[in-house]
Amino acid sequence: AQKVTQAQTEISVVEKEDVTLDCVYETRDTTYYLFWYKQPPSGELVFLIRRNSFDEQNEISGRYSWNFQKSTSSFNFTITASQVVDSAVYFCALSEANVNSGYALNFGKGTSLLVTP
Amino acid sequence: DSGVTQTPKHLITATGQRVTLRCSPRSGDLSVYWYQQSLDQGLQFLIQYYNGEERAKGNILERFSAQQFPDLHSELNLSSLELGDSALYFCASSVEVGGLYGYTFGSGTRLTVV
Repeated sequence: AQKVTQAQTEISVVEKEDVTLDCVYETRDTTYYLFWYKQPPSGELVFLIRRNSFDEQNEISGRYSWNFQKSTSSFNFTITASQVVDSAVYFCALSEANVNSGYALNFGKGTSLLVTP
Repeated sequence: DSGVTQTPKHLITATGQRVTLRCSPRSGDLSVYWYQQSLDQGLQFLIQYYNGEERAKGNILERFSAQQFPDLHSELNLSSLELGDSALYFCASSVEVGGLYGYTFGSGTRLTVV
């Protein structure tokens, strides 16, 4: 079963628009970590944010913000005033704090974001 | 430079062959994870090593194996290669088992099986 669902496969926006990437996760653990990674066309995985399950505070970093809601098992990512350089595939990932999983990352399928001028 | 080194960056080989992918973790990191990114399956966890020992297995095929050496570098061995094994293989390292302080990814090895 997919533990991380990113329902939006592709999103296309015009520069300066705001865009929200959705992420819904599933876990039975009480301690877990949520991540967002960016994969630009060059292919590397760029770390954006990590959140633990006990910290539901929203976070803002420049044009990026994250909304973590345990009640809906969601960890959504918003880019404000998008730019062409934001074009990439964005992955949401879950790390469950149990020995069996080795704390490995479970990735969603990713959302491909295209920002056009 | 993330501090995690993967070699080679690109690899082209024929079906049925065997290849070895190498990963040097960030200095001080004891845990190494291998992931496969393919068009069909997305990003999948393969296997994890911690300080030389296997700690967790994901969706790793029996034709694939890995090990972590005393100097903490890791190798992923892929044998009897099939066209479907063509993918981007990432290595990630973390300070300790939990990855509580995050994971550092290498730039990946792109494997093409022809």
